[in-house]
Amino acid sequence: EVVVVESGGDSVKSGGSLRLSCVASEIIVADTWMSWVRQAPGKGLEWIGRIQPESDGGATHYGAPVKDRFIISRDDSKNTLYLHMTSLKTEDTGVYYCTVGADKWGQGTQVTVSS
Amino acid sequence: SYELTQPPSVSVDPGQTARITCSGDALPQKYVYWYQQKSGQAPVLVIYEDTKRPSGIPERFSGSSSGTTATLTLSGAQVEDEGDYYCYSPDSSGNFWVFGGGSKLTVL
Repeated sequence: EVVVVESGGDSVKSGGSLRLSCVASEIIVADTWMSWVRQAPGKGLEWIGRIQPESDGGATHYGAPVKDRFIISRDDSKNTLYLHMTSLKTEDTGVYYCTVGADKWGQGTQVTVSS
Repeated sequence: SYELTQPPSVSVDPGQTARITCSGDALPQKYVYWYQQKSGQAPVLVIYEDTKRPSGIPERFSGSSSGTTATLTLSGAQVEDEGDYYCYSPDSSGNFWVFGGGSKLTVL
């Protein structure tokens, strides 16, 4: 069974940076579509972005609220997906989920941005 | 930017059929995925590629799509089906994905 685990969530000040990590058992990160999704307190799900498999070119795409501030990357040697977040805003507060394809989700990691 | 529209809430009596709709301009060309989320838990995929049900999802969950509207149907809704339901699909380019605003299902 594939298990997805996110880590790296923390409390940071507005304007700060944070890097989230995602590992998935029994999955080669470079070979599959992977995405980041977040959920603000009491709100709905929001797509952050995704990265294509290397076989499809490895391109990344981002949602408008995070474009130019967040970057999705992979470290194939560690079989790990990352979400690099910069210029954080209070509205970035929420639970951040890593997804493998459409069906495998982690339990999420909490990011809190304070002013 | 692309949007998917869902009703904020749907109510149904136990044992009756609940239908949750999702509207979007690219749905005639793109698949829809449906997620169930219960309070404090990660979302669970209940329907993928418009009509397919993952293993372990009860048969009372089904999906359909026609034109610009996709529908999640719960035939014989149970109290345990209460939660928030989200549709998920990409824009016409296939590169930018969005979630619907979510529909809170109440089984009275």
